[in-house]
Amino acid sequence: AQTVTQSQPEMSVQEAETVTLSCTYDTSESDYYLFWYKQPPSRQMILVIRQEAYKQQNATENRFSVNFQKAAKSFSLKISDSQLGDAAMYFCAYTMGGGADGLTFGKGTHLIIQP
Amino acid sequence: DTAVSQTPKYLVTQMGNDKSIKCEQNLGHDTMYWYKQDSKKFLKIMFSYNNKELIINETVPNRFSPKSPDKAHLNLHINSLELGDSAVYFCASSPYREGQPQHFGDGTRLSIL
Repeated sequence: AQTVTQSQPEMSVQEAETVTLSCTYDTSESDYYLFWYKQPPSRQMILVIRQEAYKQQNATENRFSVNFQKAAKSFSLKISDSQLGDAAMYFCAYTMGGGADGLTFGKGTHLIIQP
Repeated sequence: DTAVSQTPKYLVTQMGNDKSIKCEQNLGHDTMYWYKQDSKKFLKIMFSYNNKELIINETVPNRFSPKSPDKAHLNLHINSLELGDSAVYFCASSPYREGQPQHFGDGTRLSIL
C-alpha cells in the first residue's frame, strides 16, 4: 500500500521568509500524481500545487514551488515570501491517478507564520 | 456559487442515532468521494463513486452507506452512530480523468454525545 510521510508536525517561519515543508512517499508505481493541499482554520481544503510524476520539471504556482525528486520519492513544498494568510495545515497527497482513485494523505504539517 | 456543498456543516447527535450528510457538486464532475478527518487531522478515503457506481469502499463499517442518486449528488447515511464516528467528513469531486485534482466541500463536523 502507498504511504505518505510528513516528518514535520509543525513548522514556524517569519513573515516574508522562505520555508520548506517535507514529504516522502512510498510506491512501486512509475506513473502517479502528487499534490499539496492547504487547510486553514476555516477547515476548507484548498489545492496548492499538483505534480505529475512523469514530468521532470518541478511545478510552480506563484510563491509556491515543489522540489520533486522521483528517485528519492521526495516531494517538498517551498513557500517564498511567507504571508500571514499562509498559516494553515499543509497536507501532501498521492494518487495513482486512476479516474476514481482516492488520495492518500500524509499526517500534515502545521505552518505558523510569525509577524 | 459554491462548487461542492455539504449539508449540514455541523451535526450533534446522540449515540445510536441514524444521520445523513448530503453533498452536491455543480462542477459537472463524474466522480465523487467521501473522506473522514479524525481528531488528529488525519484524512482517509472512505468511498468513491463514478457516475453513480461505487468504485472504492475502504474497509468502512457497513453502518456507513453512501448513496448516489445522480452523478452530481453523493449522500452519506450512518446508522447506529458510535462515539468513534465523531470526525469531520469531507465530500470531494473530480473529473474522471487521470490525476485530476479533487475539489473539496467545506466539511461536516459530526459530534456524537
